[in-house]
Amino acid sequence: KQEVTQIPAALSVPEGENLVLNCSFTDSAIYNLQWFRQDPGKGLTSLLLIQSSQREQTSGRLNASLDKSSGRSTLYIAASQPGDSATYLCAVQGGSEKLVFGKGTKLTVNP
Amino acid sequence: DAGVIQSPRHEVTEMGQEVTLRCKPISGHDYLFWYRQTMMRGLELLIYFNNNVPIDDSGMPEDRFSAKMPNASFSTLKIQPSEPRDSAVYFCASSPPHGRRATKISSYNEQFFGPGTRLTVL
Repeated sequence: KQEVTQIPAALSVPEGENLVLNCSFTDSAIYNLQWFRQDPGKGLTSLLLIQSSQREQTSGRLNASLDKSSGRSTLYIAASQPGDSATYLCAVQGGSEKLVFGKGTKLTVNP
Repeated sequence: DAGVIQSPRHEVTEMGQEVTLRCKPISGHDYLFWYRQTMMRGLELLIYFNNNVPIDDSGMPEDRFSAKMPNASFSTLKIQPSEPRDSAVYFCASSPPHGRRATKISSYNEQFFGPGTRLTVL
C-alpha cells in the first residue's frame, strides 16, 4: 500500500529565504507526482505535476524535483514571500486514477 | 470556466439526519473524484467515476455513504444517517480524459479541486 510522508509538518521562515519541502513515498511504481497548495478554508490548487519520466518541473519561483528510485520529491521555493504561506501537499498517482496524499507541510513566511 | 463547483459550502446537521453534498465538474472532464479531509487522516479518496460509472469505491467508509453520477455534469455524495465522526471537509475533483497510445495509458492526469463542503454533524 502506497504511503506518502511529508516532513516537516510545519515550517516557519523569514521573508526572502529559500526553502525546501520534502515528500517521500514507499512504492516507486508511480505515474506522476503532484504538488498542491491549500489555503485555509479553501480547496487545493495544483502547483506542479511531474511525470514519472521527468526529473523536475519549474514554475516561476517554484521548482519540484523527483527521484523515483529513492521515492523522494522536493519542492523548492525561492525568495519566499508572506503570500506563500499555506499548506503544501504532495500526492502520487500509481497504477490507477487514485492520488495518495501526504498530510502536508504548513508553511508560514514571516514579514 | 468556473472550475469545479460544490454546494453547499457549509453544512451543519444533527446526528441521524441525511446529508447530500453536490458537485459539478469542469465541462469536458470525464473523471470525478470525492475526497474527505480530516486532521487525523488527511485527504482520503472515497470514490471516483469515469464517464459517470463508479470505478473504485473502496474508500467509502461504510454503507451509510453512497455516491451517484446521473450525468456528466452532476454528482452527489449522500450520508444517511449522519454521525459526528463524519464531520470533515469533503472535496470534489475532476480531471480531463487522457490519451491512450497503443497499450500505454498516458500518465498525465492533473486533478482540479472544488472549494469543498465543510460538514459538521452535531
